[in-house]
Amino acid sequence: ETGVTQSPTHLIKTRGQQVTLRCSSQSGHNTVSWYQQALGQGPQFIFQYYREEENGRGNFPPRFSGLQFPNYSSELNVNALELDDSALYLCASSLAGGVGDTQYFGPGTRLTVL
Amino acid sequence: AQRVTQPEKLLSVFKGAPVELKCNYSYSGSPELFWYVQYSRQRLQLLLRHISRESIKGFTADLNKGETSFHLKKPFAQEEDSAMYYCALSNYGQNFVFGPGTRLSVLP
Repeated sequence: ETGVTQSPTHLIKTRGQQVTLRCSSQSGHNTVSWYQQALGQGPQFIFQYYREEENGRGNFPPRFSGLQFPNYSSELNVNALELDDSALYLCASSLAGGVGDTQYFGPGTRLTVL
Repeated sequence: AQRVTQPEKLLSVFKGAPVELKCNYSYSGSPELFWYVQYSRQRLQLLLRHISRESIKGFTADLNKGETSFHLKKPFAQEEDSAMYYCALSNYGQNFVFGPGTRLSVLP
C-alpha cells in the first residue's frame, strides 16, 4: 500500500505567476482534499474532490482551482499568485465521499512567492 | 461561522504528569470532531475522532456539547508524546476546520 505523495517538494514563484501542485492519493482512496498551511497556523481547507467532482470548498477565491483525475490523483492550480499564497500546501486522501472520513496526509509542497 | 480555538500555543509538562490539551469550537449543528497529531519530521496524522470513542496511545477526548469543547487528555505523559496537536471539526461534507494547534513538550 502506497501512501499519499506530493510533488514538487519545494517551489519558488513570483507574484502574478501560476502554479500547479500535484497529489497522488493513497491506493484505493477516491477522495482528495487540499489544505493551505501558513507558518504557525493550522491547515486551512481549500476544497475537496470526490470522484472527479468538487465536493466542498473553503473560503478561498476562484483563482484556487483543482482537478481530480480518473485514477484519483489530483492537481491544485493557483493563478495570479500573491505574496500571501506562500505556505505549505497539503493534500489528504480518504475513502468514500464524506469530509469526516479519516484523511491520510501527504508531506506537503512548500510554495514561496517572491 | 465554524471555528476551532486552541488557547495554548505551547504546553510543557513533565514526564508522568497528566496532560490536557484544550479545544473549543463554534458550530451550529452536530459536527464531527477530531484530534490530529504531527510528530517531528512526520506527516499530519489522525490521532482520534469522537465518534469512535477510542483511546489511542493513552489519549482520550470527550465531546461536551454544552461547553462546545473537545479537550484531549492523557493521565501520564510520555516523552514520545511531544508533538504538534491540532483539533479539527467537520460538518459532514461541507467543510473541514482546523484549530491553530498546540505544541506539547514533555520534559524528562
